[in-house]
Amino acid sequence: SQTIHQWPATLVQPVGSPLSLECTVEGTSNPNLYWYRQAAGRGLQLLFYSVGIGQISSEVPQNLSASRPQDRQFILSSKKLLLSDSGFYLCAWKKGGGTEAFFGQGTRLTVV
Amino acid sequence: AQSVTQLDSHVSVSEGTPVLLRCNYSSSYSPSLFWYVQHPNKGLQLLLKYTSAATLVKGINGFEAEFKKSETSFHLTKPSAHMSDAAEYFCVVMSGSARQLTFGSGTQLTVLP
Repeated sequence: SQTIHQWPATLVQPVGSPLSLECTVEGTSNPNLYWYRQAAGRGLQLLFYSVGIGQISSEVPQNLSASRPQDRQFILSSKKLLLSDSGFYLCAWKKGGGTEAFFGQGTRLTVV
Repeated sequence: AQSVTQLDSHVSVSEGTPVLLRCNYSSSYSPSLFWYVQHPNKGLQLLLKYTSAATLVKGINGFEAEFKKSETSFHLTKPSAHMSDAAEYFCVVMSGSARQLTFGSGTQLTVLP
């Protein structure tokens, strides 16, 4: 069966510090991978998606970047965090031709 | 382009009474539609999905939704609310290249004893 792992679950970082959130998927190959951010009262905003190794599409220009060094690994990064980067980040995967997305448990990021 | 509008940011119901969470969508293509539920600080759980089969879709925990193309709606209902239903609910549309999911802004459901 397929599983998705996202870590850490919570993170408190000072302004200006770097960020690295990792997401891995097991039990499938060549998944579509997604990073979403949920800010209070604003639903989920798609940040990045990837359809293959090294292929990253950015939906919203901002302080964040994403990388996919391996088929089932998706990393969200920042060189210098801003206060506005605080939020709940969710990783998700979907089969290329499938309709259902599966979500990780999320990371609560607080930038102080 | 696709978009989703959840008409109510907050809904409160009494335990045992019906639940209605409203969702309207816009899509250039025949869409797939989903409802997800999120409990506090947790990931998202799929409640149900519509993918061009039966227009009345039954999901988990007694929820169901009806796809109405003429009204571009996909409202979520449940006959009798339970305290454990208190959570945030998201309506989601997927169309076009099927690479992207577009989320509504969410509806916070409160269930009163």
